[in-house]
Amino acid sequence: GNSVTQMEGPVTLSEEAFLTINCTYTATGYPSLFWYVQYPGEGLQLLLKATKADDKGSNKGFEATYRKETTSFHLEKGSVQVSDSAVYFCALRRGNTGFQKLVFGTGTRLLVSP
Amino acid sequence: GAGVSQSPRYKVAKRGQDVALRCDPISGHVSLFWYQQALGQGPEFLTYFQNEAQLDKSGLPSDRFFAERPEGSVSTLKIQRTQQEDSAVYLCASSRISGQGAGETQYFGPGTRLLVL
Repeated sequence: GNSVTQMEGPVTLSEEAFLTINCTYTATGYPSLFWYVQYPGEGLQLLLKATKADDKGSNKGFEATYRKETTSFHLEKGSVQVSDSAVYFCALRRGNTGFQKLVFGTGTRLLVSP
Repeated sequence: GAGVSQSPRYKVAKRGQDVALRCDPISGHVSLFWYQQALGQGPEFLTYFQNEAQLDKSGLPSDRFFAERPEGSVSTLKIQRTQQEDSAVYLCASSRISGQGAGETQYFGPGTRLLVL
């Protein structure tokens, strides 16, 4: 079946450090891939997405590249801020046909200290 | 315009009580989804509506869970005879179109946090 595996957290960084959160997936067909972010006390927000192999999604300084050969979609940011502290969820959705159920990973908590 | 709204934001229920959770999707959105997020976990799919039709309910954990969207807009998730294991955040999401475009964005509401004592 379809599944998403994320690195366990928490990830603790100092401000301006480089961030990588690993995400790998198992899926049939050609899924679309997403990163969602959940700030404390708030709902899930779409951070970025990629719909086909080699696509790069980017937003707010975050980037992730859809790597079909390694079935990965790692999230990166060159310089994190305290305000980036949140829980990050990698997710996939099947492509081609059918409805659009999202399959999520378990989430990775990021803590950024000043 | 307004985003997805859910009510109540918090609900405490005694075991055995029935609860009803409401979702107001973004106006005009065809697709509506319910997810369950247990503490420390990612959201898990419960059910999906395309307009008023419930096209998939494979994620509903038991027959105590029931969802409806009678006019293709507002949706209600009902849990009968609540159990402690039902304690979770229930998330609603909507998207503009259905059946096409695997990259179509789902917009999430803030969730309803349910605690069953």
